[in-house]
Amino acid sequence: EPEVTQTPSHQVTQMGQEVILRCVPISNHLYFYWYRQILGQKVEFLVSFYNNEISEKSEIFDDQFSVERPDGSNFTLKIRSTKLEDSAMYFCASSEPPGFSEKLFFGSGTQLSVL
Amino acid sequence: AQSVTQPDIHITVSEGASLELRCNYSYGATPYLFWYVQSPGQGLQLLLKYFSGDTLVQGIKGFEAEFKRSQSSFNLRKPSVHWSDAAEYFCAVAPYGGSQGNLIFGKGTKLSVKP
Repeated sequence: EPEVTQTPSHQVTQMGQEVILRCVPISNHLYFYWYRQILGQKVEFLVSFYNNEISEKSEIFDDQFSVERPDGSNFTLKIRSTKLEDSAMYFCASSEPPGFSEKLFFGSGTQLSVL
Repeated sequence: AQSVTQPDIHITVSEGASLELRCNYSYGATPYLFWYVQSPGQGLQLLLKYFSGDTLVQGIKGFEAEFKRSQSSFNLRKPSVHWSDAAEYFCAVAPYGGSQGNLIFGKGTKLSVKP
């Protein structure tokens, strides 16, 4: 089965530093998403991205966050100035256009630790 | 606000025993309903989903789920659990007619399987 690939699997950073989390969605997918899961809490939607722009975002996705599809294969999440509370597992997902048969394919996640 | 409740944080069952994982949702209308599984070190994998029609939904790996509108529930079942089913299970909803990528997840139920 095709896979969504996320790198790195674990990233450690100092508070205030910028981080970029990388994802390679499935090649024929057009919709891309970021979710996060703080330890012990729910998986939370951050943002969806289609046609080179954000189509939906949650309250969590404030000005500190940005997403980009810099080339035809990568999809990135940037956190400009990390805070301790940004420590979480970040999941990337991709899907075909919405429809009855559509489903999200998730990557295995990047564990971000902010010290 | 929409919410998903998985009342059981951790369940242990014997291999070969039956399994039922509970999920309740709070939403004004019938949403789209999903069950995902996350094995250690893996991404979230879709087990099954309910959009409309038959309220008993069959999924992969021998799982099924039943939508009960009167109880706002979407419980996941498997008649005979295998050791490889040990994982974390997440129930999720998406607004009916809305983006299926903006999922609202429950906190998850961790399943342990004993020999």
